[in-house]
Amino acid sequence: EAAVTQSPRNKVAVTGGKVTLSCNQTNNHNNMYWYRQDTGHGLRLIHYSYGAGSTEKGDIPDGYKASRPSQENFSLILELATPSQTSVYFCASGENWNYAEQFFGPGTRLTVL
Amino acid sequence: GDSVTQTEGQVTVSESKSLIINCTYSATSIAYPNLFWYVRYPGEGLQLLLKVITAGQKGSSRGFEATYNKETTSFHLQKASVQESDSAVYYCALSPLVNTGNYKYVFGAGTRLKVIA
Repeated sequence: EAAVTQSPRNKVAVTGGKVTLSCNQTNNHNNMYWYRQDTGHGLRLIHYSYGAGSTEKGDIPDGYKASRPSQENFSLILELATPSQTSVYFCASGENWNYAEQFFGPGTRLTVL
Repeated sequence: GDSVTQTEGQVTVSESKSLIINCTYSATSIAYPNLFWYVRYPGEGLQLLLKVITAGQKGSSRGFEATYNKETTSFHLQKASVQESDSAVYYCALSPLVNTGNYKYVFGAGTRLKVIA
């Protein structure tokens, strides 16, 4: 069964600290995505990737970096975390065509104090 | 830009009653977007509930259905008789058509459904 896993599931960080959120998929999908979900907002796209070694800016990339070292792994990096980055983060994978289903991980709840 | 607006907040429905969650879209950069409903159960990631890629068509799954109405730019989710196991957060979303080179989704804010006995 296709699976997307995220770690950690919960994280508390301090302002100015570095945070790395990890995502792993066993679907062999080319595309991977990082979203954040805040109350009153839909999932907003931060970064995405079309394959190993590629990263693209999404709609709200400021303050975030992404890394795709392999087909299976896609990380989201907050170099200097701020309280405004407190949110729930979802990773997803999908095939490289326009109405492909996206498969989501369970989410990471990040709190920046 | 493109956007999706759906029923805000939480909807509470008694078991065996009918449900409708409204969804309207604005697709300024896309002629005929693909439309989706995703569902997120507690502790899990979003999963696809149904999708429709042709205007005028209806999609259905697990007793839920939604019709792609390009005249009213709507894609409302309906179910005739809900169960407690349907309690979850429901997201309406759209994506562009082939050959735009853009595979990004636009999601609504989500609607929490609470089904009570």
